[in-house]
Amino acid sequence: AQSVAQPEDQVNVAEGNPLTVKCTYSVSGNPYLFWYVQYPNRGLQFLLKYITGDNLVKGSYGFEAEFNKSQTSFHLKKPSALVSDSALYFCAVRGYGGATNKLIFGTGTLLAVQP
Amino acid sequence: NAGVMQNPRHLVRRRGQEARLRCSPMKGHSHVYWYRQLPEEGLKFMVYLQKENIIDESGMPKERFSAEFPKEGPSILRIQQVVRGDSAAYFCASSPPGGRSNQPQHFGDGTRLSIL
Repeated sequence: AQSVAQPEDQVNVAEGNPLTVKCTYSVSGNPYLFWYVQYPNRGLQFLLKYITGDNLVKGSYGFEAEFNKSQTSFHLKKPSALVSDSALYFCAVRGYGGATNKLIFGTGTLLAVQP
Repeated sequence: NAGVMQNPRHLVRRRGQEARLRCSPMKGHSHVYWYRQLPEEGLKFMVYLQKENIIDESGMPKERFSAEFPKEGPSILRIQQVVRGDSAAYFCASSPPGGRSNQPQHFGDGTRLSIL
Protein backbone atom coordinates (compact mmCIF):
# COMPACT_ATOMS: atom_id res chain seq x y z
CA ALA A 1 0.00 0.00 0.00
CA GLN A 2 1.17 3.50 -0.76
CA SER A 3 1.73 5.92 2.08
CA VAL A 4 3.37 9.18 3.00
CA ALA A 5 4.79 10.13 6.38
CA GLN A 6 5.50 13.59 7.69
CA PRO A 7 7.21 12.92 11.02
CA GLU A 8 6.99 16.47 12.39
CA ASP A 9 3.67 18.02 13.36
CA GLN A 10 5.32 21.41 13.62
CA VAL A 11 8.57 23.03 12.55
CA ASN A 12 9.73 26.30 14.09
CA VAL A 13 12.36 28.44 12.40
CA ALA A 14 13.54 32.02 12.68
CA GLU A 15 13.08 34.34 9.74
CA GLY A 16 16.13 34.30 7.49
CA ASN A 17 17.21 30.83 8.55
CA PRO A 18 17.01 27.79 6.27
CA LEU A 19 14.03 25.50 6.69
CA THR A 20 13.41 21.82 6.06
CA VAL A 21 10.09 20.01 6.18
CA LYS A 22 10.50 16.25 6.10
CA CYS A 23 8.61 13.68 4.05
CA THR A 24 9.14 9.98 3.47
CA TYR A 25 7.11 7.76 1.20
CA SER A 26 6.31 4.14 0.55
CA VAL A 27 5.18 3.19 -2.94
CA SER A 28 5.67 0.36 -5.39
CA GLY A 29 7.31 1.48 -8.59
CA ASN A 30 8.53 4.96 -9.40
CA PRO A 31 6.87 7.63 -7.28
CA TYR A 32 5.19 10.80 -8.44
CA LEU A 33 5.68 13.18 -5.49
CA PHE A 34 4.14 16.56 -4.74
CA TRP A 35 4.29 19.32 -2.16
CA TYR A 36 1.35 21.57 -1.43
CA VAL A 37 0.85 24.48 0.98
CA GLN A 38 -2.39 25.40 2.74
CA TYR A 39 -3.14 28.78 4.28
CA PRO A 40 -5.97 29.16 6.80
CA ASN A 41 -9.44 28.64 5.33
CA ARG A 42 -8.02 28.11 1.87
CA GLY A 43 -7.46 25.20 -0.46
CA LEU A 44 -4.12 23.62 -1.24
CA GLN A 45 -1.68 25.43 -3.48
CA PHE A 46 0.76 23.43 -5.58
CA LEU A 47 4.44 24.11 -4.82
CA LEU A 48 6.43 21.55 -6.77
CA LYS A 49 6.55 17.99 -8.06
CA TYR A 50 9.01 15.21 -8.77
CA ILE A 51 8.25 12.87 -11.65
CA THR A 52 11.64 11.95 -13.05
CA GLY A 53 15.00 13.55 -13.79
CA ASP A 54 17.06 15.72 -11.47
CA ASN A 55 16.77 14.85 -7.82
CA LEU A 56 16.64 18.53 -6.86
CA VAL A 57 13.35 20.08 -7.88
CA LYS A 58 12.71 23.82 -7.79
CA GLY A 59 9.24 25.19 -7.24
CA SER A 60 7.22 28.25 -6.36
CA TYR A 61 8.13 30.96 -3.82
CA GLY A 62 11.78 29.88 -3.58
CA PHE A 63 11.02 26.37 -2.35
CA GLU A 64 12.87 23.30 -3.53
CA ALA A 65 12.79 19.62 -2.68
CA GLU A 66 15.33 16.84 -2.84
CA PHE A 67 14.30 13.38 -3.98
CA ASN A 68 16.34 10.62 -2.37
CA LYS A 69 15.45 7.17 -3.67
CA SER A 70 17.65 5.20 -1.28
CA GLN A 71 16.11 6.93 1.74
CA THR A 72 12.64 7.13 0.15
CA SER A 73 12.50 10.80 1.12
CA PHE A 74 11.34 14.01 -0.50
CA HIS A 75 12.18 16.81 1.94
CA LEU A 76 11.03 20.36 1.27
CA LYS A 77 13.63 23.09 1.71
CA LYS A 78 14.10 26.82 1.48
CA PRO A 79 17.40 28.65 2.00
CA SER A 80 15.91 31.63 3.84
CA ALA A 81 12.52 31.49 5.56
CA LEU A 82 9.99 34.33 5.51
CA VAL A 83 7.28 35.02 8.07
CA SER A 84 4.80 34.72 5.20
CA ASP A 85 5.89 31.09 4.70
CA SER A 86 4.06 30.20 7.90
CA ALA A 87 1.38 27.71 6.82
CA LEU A 88 0.49 24.02 6.71
CA TYR A 89 2.55 21.94 4.30
CA PHE A 90 1.47 18.63 2.79
CA CYS A 91 3.52 16.02 1.00
CA ALA A 92 1.63 13.71 -1.37
CA VAL A 93 2.25 10.74 -3.63
CA ARG A 94 0.21 9.67 -6.64
CA GLY A 95 -1.63 6.45 -6.04
CA TYR A 96 -0.91 3.34 -8.08
CA GLY A 97 -3.23 0.70 -9.38
CA GLY A 98 -5.84 0.79 -12.09
CA ALA A 99 -6.69 4.12 -13.62
CA THR A 100 -6.55 6.11 -10.42
CA ASN A 101 -4.91 9.50 -10.23
CA LYS A 102 -5.70 9.99 -6.57
CA LEU A 103 -3.26 11.69 -4.26
CA ILE A 104 -2.27 10.16 -0.94
CA PHE A 105 -1.39 12.87 1.56
CA GLY A 106 0.72 13.00 4.66
CA THR A 107 -0.81 14.40 7.82
CA GLY A 108 0.75 17.81 7.28
CA THR A 109 3.45 19.87 8.98
CA LEU A 110 2.73 23.28 10.43
CA LEU A 111 5.58 25.65 9.67
CA ALA A 112 5.93 28.60 12.03
CA VAL A 113 8.44 31.26 11.09
CA GLN A 114 9.25 33.70 13.87
CA PRO A 115 10.26 37.28 13.03
CA ASN B 1 -8.41 32.84 -15.28
CA ALA B 2 -10.78 31.24 -12.83
CA GLY B 3 -9.46 28.42 -10.74
CA VAL B 4 -11.46 25.59 -9.24
CA MET B 5 -14.71 27.02 -7.91
CA GLN B 6 -16.53 25.44 -5.02
CA ASN B 7 -19.82 26.51 -3.51
CA PRO B 8 -21.04 27.09 -1.01
CA ARG B 9 -17.97 27.98 1.06
CA HIS B 10 -19.83 27.21 4.25
CA LEU B 11 -22.81 24.94 4.69
CA VAL B 12 -24.75 24.26 7.85
CA ARG B 13 -27.14 21.32 8.05
CA ARG B 14 -29.08 19.60 10.79
CA ARG B 15 -28.74 15.89 11.37
CA GLY B 16 -30.79 13.93 8.86
CA GLN B 17 -30.78 16.62 6.16
CA GLU B 18 -29.07 16.41 2.80
CA ALA B 19 -25.93 18.31 1.82
CA ARG B 20 -25.03 19.15 -1.78
CA LEU B 21 -21.56 20.44 -2.55
CA ARG B 22 -20.69 21.82 -5.99
CA CYS B 23 -17.44 22.04 -7.87
CA SER B 24 -16.62 23.63 -11.20
CA PRO B 25 -13.19 22.56 -12.45
CA MET B 26 -10.65 24.84 -14.04
CA LYS B 27 -11.24 25.65 -17.68
CA GLY B 28 -9.99 22.83 -19.86
CA HIS B 29 -9.88 20.31 -17.02
CA SER B 30 -11.99 17.20 -17.36
CA HIS B 31 -10.84 15.26 -14.27
CA VAL B 32 -12.37 16.02 -10.89
CA TYR B 33 -11.40 14.71 -7.47
CA TRP B 34 -13.06 15.07 -4.09
CA TYR B 35 -11.14 14.98 -0.80
CA ARG B 36 -12.24 15.31 2.80
CA GLN B 37 -10.25 16.99 5.55
CA LEU B 38 -11.30 16.21 9.08
CA PRO B 39 -10.16 18.52 11.89
CA GLU B 40 -6.47 18.10 12.70
CA GLU B 41 -6.03 15.59 9.87
CA GLY B 42 -4.69 15.51 6.34
CA LEU B 43 -6.76 15.18 3.21
CA LYS B 44 -8.32 11.82 2.42
CA PHE B 45 -9.25 10.87 -1.12
CA MET B 46 -12.91 10.16 -1.73
CA VAL B 47 -13.67 9.89 -5.44
CA TYR B 48 -12.24 10.56 -8.89
CA LEU B 49 -14.53 11.38 -11.80
CA GLN B 50 -14.36 12.23 -15.44
CA LYS B 51 -17.30 13.56 -17.42
CA GLU B 52 -20.23 11.20 -16.82
CA ASN B 53 -17.96 8.50 -15.36
CA ILE B 54 -16.78 7.50 -11.91
CA ILE B 55 -13.20 6.26 -12.29
CA ASP B 56 -12.24 5.52 -8.67
CA GLU B 57 -14.59 5.66 -5.69
CA SER B 58 -12.43 3.65 -3.33
CA GLY B 59 -12.49 6.40 -0.70
CA MET B 60 -16.23 6.95 -0.63
CA PRO B 61 -18.21 5.72 2.35
CA LYS B 62 -20.48 2.90 1.25
CA GLU B 63 -23.68 4.56 2.36
CA ARG B 64 -25.18 8.05 2.13
CA PHE B 65 -22.43 9.51 -0.10
CA SER B 66 -22.61 9.85 -3.88
CA ALA B 67 -20.88 11.92 -6.54
CA GLU B 68 -21.53 12.83 -10.12
CA PHE B 69 -19.94 14.87 -12.87
CA PRO B 70 -22.54 15.35 -15.59
CA LYS B 71 -21.88 16.25 -19.18
CA GLU B 72 -23.05 19.77 -18.48
CA GLY B 73 -22.63 21.62 -15.20
CA PRO B 74 -20.56 21.20 -12.07
CA SER B 75 -19.58 18.08 -10.20
CA ILE B 76 -21.81 17.38 -7.20
CA LEU B 77 -20.93 15.61 -3.97
CA ARG B 78 -24.12 14.60 -2.21
CA ILE B 79 -24.41 13.48 1.38
CA GLN B 80 -27.78 12.14 2.46
CA GLN B 81 -29.03 11.99 6.06
CA VAL B 82 -26.01 13.82 7.42
CA VAL B 83 -24.57 12.95 10.83
CA ARG B 84 -22.25 14.91 13.13
CA GLY B 85 -19.25 12.92 11.90
CA ASP B 86 -19.72 14.35 8.42
CA SER B 87 -18.56 17.75 9.68
CA ALA B 88 -15.40 18.47 7.74
CA ALA B 89 -13.88 20.54 4.96
CA TYR B 90 -14.55 19.04 1.54
CA PHE B 91 -12.13 19.95 -1.21
CA CYS B 92 -12.47 19.53 -4.92
CA ALA B 93 -9.50 19.38 -7.27
CA SER B 94 -9.18 19.18 -11.03
CA SER B 95 -6.55 18.23 -13.57
CA PRO B 96 -6.24 18.26 -17.35
CA PRO B 97 -7.19 15.24 -19.47
CA GLY B 98 -4.58 12.63 -20.28
CA GLY B 99 -4.37 9.15 -18.82
CA ARG B 100 -2.35 8.66 -15.65
CA SER B 101 -1.41 12.27 -15.50
CA ASN B 102 1.73 13.64 -13.89
CA GLN B 103 0.12 17.04 -13.87
CA PRO B 104 -0.61 18.56 -10.45
CA GLN B 105 -4.15 18.73 -9.23
CA HIS B 106 -5.48 22.23 -8.62
CA PHE B 107 -7.64 22.70 -5.56
CA GLY B 108 -10.61 24.85 -4.76
CA ASP B 109 -10.98 26.67 -1.43
CA GLY B 110 -13.29 24.00 -0.09
CA THR B 111 -16.73 23.76 1.45
CA ARG B 112 -16.82 23.69 5.22
CA LEU B 113 -19.72 21.54 6.29
CA SER B 114 -21.06 21.86 9.82
CA ILE B 115 -23.69 19.52 11.18
CA LEU B 116 -25.81 20.74 14.07
